[in-house]
Amino acid sequence: LAKTTQPISMDSYEGQEVNITCSHNNIATNDYITWYQQFPSQGPRFIIQGYKTKVTNEVASLFIPADRKSSTLSLPRVSLSDTAVYYCLVGEEDSSYKLIFGSGTRLLVRP
Amino acid sequence: DGGITQSPKYLFRKEGQNVTLSCEQNLNHDAMYWYRQDPGQGLRLIYYSQIVNDFQKGDIAEGYSVSREKKESFPLTVTSAQKNPTAFYLCASRTTVATNEKLFFGSGTQLSVL
Repeated sequence: LAKTTQPISMDSYEGQEVNITCSHNNIATNDYITWYQQFPSQGPRFIIQGYKTKVTNEVASLFIPADRKSSTLSLPRVSLSDTAVYYCLVGEEDSSYKLIFGSGTRLLVRP
Repeated sequence: DGGITQSPKYLFRKEGQNVTLSCEQNLNHDAMYWYRQDPGQGLRLIYYSQIVNDFQKGDIAEGYSVSREKKESFPLTVTSAQKNPTAFYLCASRTTVATNEKLFFGSGTQLSVL
């Protein structure tokens, strides 16, 4: 049973807003939701993290509904350099240290 | 410069050979992780360690072994029992001050079988 579920791929165009949703139905009470970005042949890098409601930083926003069973990463005005794989991550219910990544969402930004 | 260093960047393994991938961090992080990534796939957890001298199996530990004798080092050995070792291996670490501490990743090691 997958810990998180994301769309396999998404297409967009430069300048558009992209929203990627992640489902995490069994999220534990004390779990945070963290999103990472990965370019080919590189390690993932942190984008944003939240616990509830809305979080915004210089690169993205994260929307988390009250039930916390899903979250949406919002990338405003994407550019070609945003083409990457995006992962949402939550900890295991029995261990916040066992961090299991889902299959991620491949975002392709077209000119 | 603080960070995680993985070496080598590329590694080739002969049939029946054990190879060891190095992961060193100078971030003073307690927790360290090894992930495997196959082409076009997500990251799968091999082993993780919350503290020195302790480690736990992840989802795909068979054919791999680790040690955590020092806080800054978490080497991964790919044994001959791992029949399909060709993959991109990523090491990560994080602090354990709080449960929401983010992961920092190394630049990875690409392992191929000759």
